[in-house]
Amino acid sequence: GDSVTQMEGPVTLSEEAFLTINCTYTATGYPSLFWYVQYPGEGLQLLLKATKADDKGSNKGFEATYRKETTSFHLEKGSVQVSDSAVYFCALDKFYFGSGTKLNVKP
Amino acid sequence: EAQVTQNPRYLITVTGKKLTVTCSQNMNHEYMSWYRQDPGLGLRQIYYSMNVEVTDKGDVPEGYKVSRKEKRNFPLILESPSPNQTSLYFCASSSKRENNEQFFGPGTRLTVL
Repeated sequence: GDSVTQMEGPVTLSEEAFLTINCTYTATGYPSLFWYVQYPGEGLQLLLKATKADDKGSNKGFEATYRKETTSFHLEKGSVQVSDSAVYFCALDKFYFGSGTKLNVKP
Repeated sequence: EAQVTQNPRYLITVTGKKLTVTCSQNMNHEYMSWYRQDPGLGLRQIYYSMNVEVTDKGDVPEGYKVSRKEKRNFPLILESPSPNQTSLYFCASSSKRENNEQFFGPGTRLTVL
Protein backbone atom coordinates (compact mmCIF):
# COMPACT_ATOMS: atom_id res chain seq x y z
CA GLY A 1 0.00 0.00 0.00
CA ASP A 2 0.88 3.66 -0.12
CA SER A 3 3.28 4.92 2.53
CA VAL A 4 5.70 7.68 3.44
CA THR A 5 9.04 7.36 5.19
CA GLN A 6 10.87 10.36 6.55
CA MET A 7 14.05 10.73 8.51
CA GLU A 8 13.82 10.47 12.23
CA GLY A 9 14.59 13.39 14.44
CA PRO A 10 15.22 15.39 16.29
CA VAL A 11 17.43 17.44 14.04
CA THR A 12 19.37 20.16 15.83
CA LEU A 13 21.01 22.94 13.82
CA SER A 14 22.56 26.31 14.48
CA GLU A 15 20.95 29.39 12.98
CA GLU A 16 21.85 29.95 9.31
CA ALA A 17 22.76 26.28 8.78
CA PHE A 18 21.53 24.33 5.77
CA LEU A 19 18.59 22.00 6.32
CA THR A 20 17.64 18.77 4.60
CA ILE A 21 14.87 16.50 5.80
CA ASN A 22 14.59 13.34 3.72
CA CYS A 23 11.27 11.92 2.59
CA THR A 24 10.61 8.94 0.35
CA TYR A 25 7.31 7.44 -0.64
CA THR A 26 5.69 4.31 -2.01
CA ALA A 27 2.61 4.78 -4.12
CA THR A 28 0.69 3.54 -7.09
CA GLY A 29 -0.17 6.08 -9.71
CA TYR A 30 0.88 9.72 -9.53
CA PRO A 31 0.19 11.14 -6.09
CA SER A 32 0.47 14.71 -4.92
CA LEU A 33 3.14 15.33 -2.28
CA PHE A 34 3.01 17.75 0.63
CA TRP A 35 5.09 19.10 3.46
CA TYR A 36 3.20 20.28 6.53
CA VAL A 37 4.64 22.14 9.51
CA GLN A 38 3.46 22.01 13.11
CA TYR A 39 4.60 24.83 15.37
CA PRO A 40 4.55 24.20 19.12
CA GLY A 41 1.02 24.00 20.48
CA GLU A 42 -0.63 24.30 17.08
CA GLY A 43 -2.20 22.15 14.42
CA LEU A 44 -0.53 21.26 11.14
CA GLN A 45 -0.47 23.75 8.30
CA LEU A 46 0.57 23.34 4.72
CA LEU A 47 4.13 24.44 4.00
CA LEU A 48 4.41 23.49 0.33
CA LYS A 49 3.20 20.98 -2.21
CA ALA A 50 3.98 19.48 -5.62
CA THR A 51 1.45 17.76 -7.82
CA LYS A 52 3.53 16.12 -10.55
CA ALA A 53 6.99 14.82 -11.30
CA ASP A 54 9.76 17.44 -11.39
CA ASP A 55 7.52 20.07 -9.81
CA LYS A 56 9.22 22.17 -7.16
CA GLY A 57 7.17 23.44 -4.26
CA SER A 58 8.47 26.43 -2.33
CA ASN A 59 7.40 28.66 0.53
CA LYS A 60 9.10 30.71 3.27
CA GLY A 61 12.54 29.79 1.91
CA PHE A 62 11.79 26.05 1.99
CA GLU A 63 11.88 23.97 -1.19
CA ALA A 64 11.16 20.40 -2.21
CA THR A 65 11.29 18.75 -5.63
CA TYR A 66 9.07 15.86 -6.66
CA ARG A 67 11.49 13.19 -7.89
CA LYS A 68 9.64 10.29 -9.44
CA GLU A 69 12.77 8.36 -10.35
CA THR A 70 13.91 8.22 -6.73
CA THR A 71 10.39 8.45 -5.21
CA SER A 72 11.58 11.28 -3.01
CA PHE A 73 10.43 14.71 -1.87
CA HIS A 74 13.21 16.02 0.35
CA LEU A 75 12.71 19.32 2.18
CA GLU A 76 15.53 21.87 2.04
CA LYS A 77 16.24 25.35 3.31
CA GLY A 78 19.44 27.23 2.75
CA SER A 79 19.57 29.14 6.04
CA VAL A 80 17.36 28.16 8.95
CA GLN A 81 16.15 30.53 11.65
CA VAL A 82 15.15 29.93 15.25
CA SER A 83 11.55 30.56 14.19
CA ASP A 84 11.74 27.45 11.94
CA SER A 85 11.84 25.21 15.01
CA ALA A 86 8.85 22.92 14.55
CA VAL A 87 7.82 19.42 13.54
CA TYR A 88 7.75 18.75 9.80
CA PHE A 89 5.56 16.11 8.19
CA CYS A 90 5.87 14.71 4.69
CA ALA A 91 2.54 13.54 3.25
CA LEU A 92 1.23 11.69 0.25
CA ASP A 93 -2.14 12.67 -1.17
CA LYS A 94 -4.77 13.24 1.50
CA PHE A 95 -4.27 10.60 4.13
CA TYR A 96 -0.71 9.26 4.26
CA PHE A 97 1.69 11.00 6.62
CA GLY A 98 5.26 10.37 7.64
CA SER A 99 6.13 10.11 11.30
CA GLY A 100 7.32 13.71 11.55
CA THR A 101 10.77 15.21 12.06
CA LYS A 102 11.35 17.64 14.88
CA LEU A 103 13.69 20.50 14.02
CA ASN A 104 15.42 22.50 16.75
CA VAL A 105 17.31 25.59 15.64
CA LYS A 106 19.69 27.13 18.18
CA PRO A 107 20.68 30.80 18.12
CA GLU B 1 -12.20 33.21 8.06
CA ALA B 2 -11.78 29.68 6.70
CA GLN B 3 -11.12 27.35 9.59
CA VAL B 4 -11.56 24.02 11.30
CA THR B 5 -12.63 24.24 14.91
CA GLN B 6 -12.45 21.57 17.59
CA ASN B 7 -13.89 21.46 21.06
CA PRO B 8 -12.83 21.02 23.72
CA ARG B 9 -9.16 21.91 23.34
CA TYR B 10 -8.23 20.13 26.55
CA LEU B 11 -10.06 17.35 28.37
CA ILE B 12 -9.24 15.21 31.37
CA THR B 13 -11.64 12.35 32.00
CA VAL B 14 -11.84 8.95 33.64
CA THR B 15 -11.94 5.47 32.19
CA GLY B 16 -15.34 4.49 30.84
CA LYS B 17 -16.98 7.90 30.80
CA LYS B 18 -18.35 8.54 27.30
CA LEU B 19 -17.14 11.68 25.60
CA THR B 20 -17.49 13.49 22.29
CA VAL B 21 -14.99 15.78 20.61
CA THR B 22 -16.65 18.07 18.11
CA CYS B 23 -15.18 19.19 14.80
CA SER B 24 -16.64 21.76 12.45
CA GLN B 25 -15.41 23.32 9.21
CA ASN B 26 -16.78 26.32 7.31
CA MET B 27 -15.18 25.66 3.91
CA ASN B 28 -17.85 23.35 2.48
CA HIS B 29 -15.27 20.55 2.26
CA GLU B 30 -16.37 17.05 1.37
CA TYR B 31 -13.52 15.20 3.08
CA MET B 32 -13.01 15.14 6.83
CA SER B 33 -10.66 13.06 8.94
CA TRP B 34 -9.63 12.39 12.50
CA TYR B 35 -6.04 11.71 13.51
CA ARG B 36 -4.24 11.00 16.71
CA GLN B 37 -0.68 12.12 17.33
CA ASP B 38 1.54 10.22 19.73
CA PRO B 39 5.25 10.68 20.45
CA GLY B 40 7.36 8.64 18.07
CA LEU B 41 4.34 7.48 16.05
CA GLY B 42 3.52 10.58 14.08
CA LEU B 43 -0.02 11.06 12.82
CA ARG B 44 -2.31 8.06 12.55
CA GLN B 45 -5.68 8.24 10.92
CA ILE B 46 -8.62 7.08 13.02
CA TYR B 47 -11.61 7.58 10.70
CA TYR B 48 -12.38 9.52 7.59
CA SER B 49 -15.44 10.65 5.68
CA MET B 50 -15.73 11.32 1.96
CA ASN B 51 -19.12 13.03 2.28
CA VAL B 52 -22.31 13.16 4.31
CA GLU B 53 -23.31 9.73 5.66
CA VAL B 54 -20.13 8.17 4.23
CA THR B 55 -17.49 7.16 6.76
CA ASP B 56 -14.70 4.61 6.79
CA LYS B 57 -12.05 3.26 9.13
CA GLY B 58 -8.53 4.55 9.09
CA ASP B 59 -5.49 2.85 10.56
CA VAL B 60 -6.48 2.90 14.25
CA PRO B 61 -10.30 2.89 14.53
CA GLU B 62 -10.68 0.61 17.57
CA GLY B 63 -12.45 2.31 20.46
CA TYR B 64 -13.76 5.22 18.39
CA LYS B 65 -16.94 6.10 16.53
CA VAL B 66 -17.78 8.92 14.16
CA SER B 67 -20.80 10.27 12.38
CA ARG B 68 -21.33 12.61 9.44
CA LYS B 69 -24.90 13.79 9.48
CA GLU B 70 -24.05 17.24 8.17
CA LYS B 71 -21.33 18.31 5.81
CA ARG B 72 -19.72 20.74 8.22
CA ASN B 73 -19.56 18.52 11.34
CA PHE B 74 -17.63 15.36 12.07
CA PRO B 75 -17.70 14.47 15.78
CA LEU B 76 -15.41 11.85 17.31
CA ILE B 77 -17.03 9.67 19.96
CA LEU B 78 -15.29 7.61 22.59
CA GLU B 79 -17.96 5.36 24.05
CA SER B 80 -15.77 3.95 26.83
CA PRO B 81 -12.43 5.74 26.93
CA SER B 82 -9.36 3.93 28.18
CA PRO B 83 -5.93 5.26 29.23
CA ASN B 84 -4.37 4.14 25.93
CA GLN B 85 -6.55 6.73 24.19
CA THR B 86 -4.69 9.51 25.94
CA SER B 87 -3.37 11.46 23.00
CA LEU B 88 -3.47 14.64 20.94
CA TYR B 89 -6.31 14.54 18.42
CA PHE B 90 -6.63 16.51 15.20
CA CYS B 91 -9.55 16.97 12.88
CA ALA B 92 -8.88 17.90 9.26
CA SER B 93 -10.90 18.73 6.17
CA SER B 94 -10.20 19.04 2.47
CA SER B 95 -11.91 19.52 -0.83
CA LYS B 96 -12.54 16.43 -2.94
CA ARG B 97 -10.69 18.08 -5.78
CA GLU B 98 -7.40 16.40 -6.42
CA ASN B 99 -4.16 17.92 -5.21
CA ASN B 100 -5.86 19.87 -2.44
CA GLU B 101 -4.25 20.02 0.91
CA GLN B 102 -5.88 19.32 4.26
CA PHE B 103 -6.81 22.03 6.73
CA PHE B 104 -6.26 21.08 10.34
CA GLY B 105 -7.97 22.08 13.54
CA PRO B 106 -5.94 23.28 16.54
CA GLY B 107 -6.02 19.92 18.30
CA THR B 108 -7.63 18.41 21.38
CA ARG B 109 -5.41 17.12 24.12
CA LEU B 110 -7.19 14.24 25.85
CA THR B 111 -6.08 12.58 29.06
CA VAL B 112 -7.90 9.45 30.26
CA LEU B 113 -7.16 8.52 33.86
